[in-house]
Amino acid sequence: AQRVTQPEKLLSVFKGAPVELKCNYSYSGSPELFWYVQYSRQRLQLLLRHISRESIKGFTADLNKGETSFHLKKPFAQEEDSAMYYCALSEGGGNKLTFGTGTQLKVEL
Amino acid sequence: GAVVSQHPSRVICKSGTSVKIECRSLDFQATTMFWYRQFPKQSLMLMATSNEGSKATYEQGVEKDKFLINHASLTLSTLTVTSAHPEDSSFYICSARVGTYTEAFFGQGTRLTVV
Repeated sequence: AQRVTQPEKLLSVFKGAPVELKCNYSYSGSPELFWYVQYSRQRLQLLLRHISRESIKGFTADLNKGETSFHLKKPFAQEEDSAMYYCALSEGGGNKLTFGTGTQLKVEL
Repeated sequence: GAVVSQHPSRVICKSGTSVKIECRSLDFQATTMFWYRQFPKQSLMLMATSNEGSKATYEQGVEKDKFLINHASLTLSTLTVTSAHPEDSSFYICSARVGTYTEAFFGQGTRLTVV
């Protein structure tokens, strides 16, 4: 069965510092990996997906199949990045998502 | 962007009663809707997947008779928690998708409290 692990419940960084939110997964096939973000009092929304290979709001994530990781990175954190971030895995074909437990990112001034 | 609306956002019900939660896709037709449950400080756990016009597929450990899911149209799915008990208190979230390989959009969630 697939599993997504986000080891950090809370990550606190200063504004302008680099950010890395860790995500590791276990899945026997070829997964699709996603990062979802939930800002305060808002609904969950897609931040980025690995197949798009794009940078959204300065965030990037590279799928490392050897390390089974999909860490989310941003070189310079902004205050507005403070939110809850969930890593998620899909079996492919837009199927059901398996979520990690989430990491609360707090960017301090 | 696509909008998914859940109603109600909060509900308190007495133990033993049933409560219905609606999930609507406002500006697109959702061929598939997903229902999740989230306990405090925990992840979203998929409860079931429903495709319009067919029976929902429940995840292991989720009671079909307890959590009734109906997806009667391409814009509406409902989750009914039957004979609710305090342990059913949770945050329920739906998401909707059109076709495959497309983004799933999430509702704002429903906070259910059973007293």
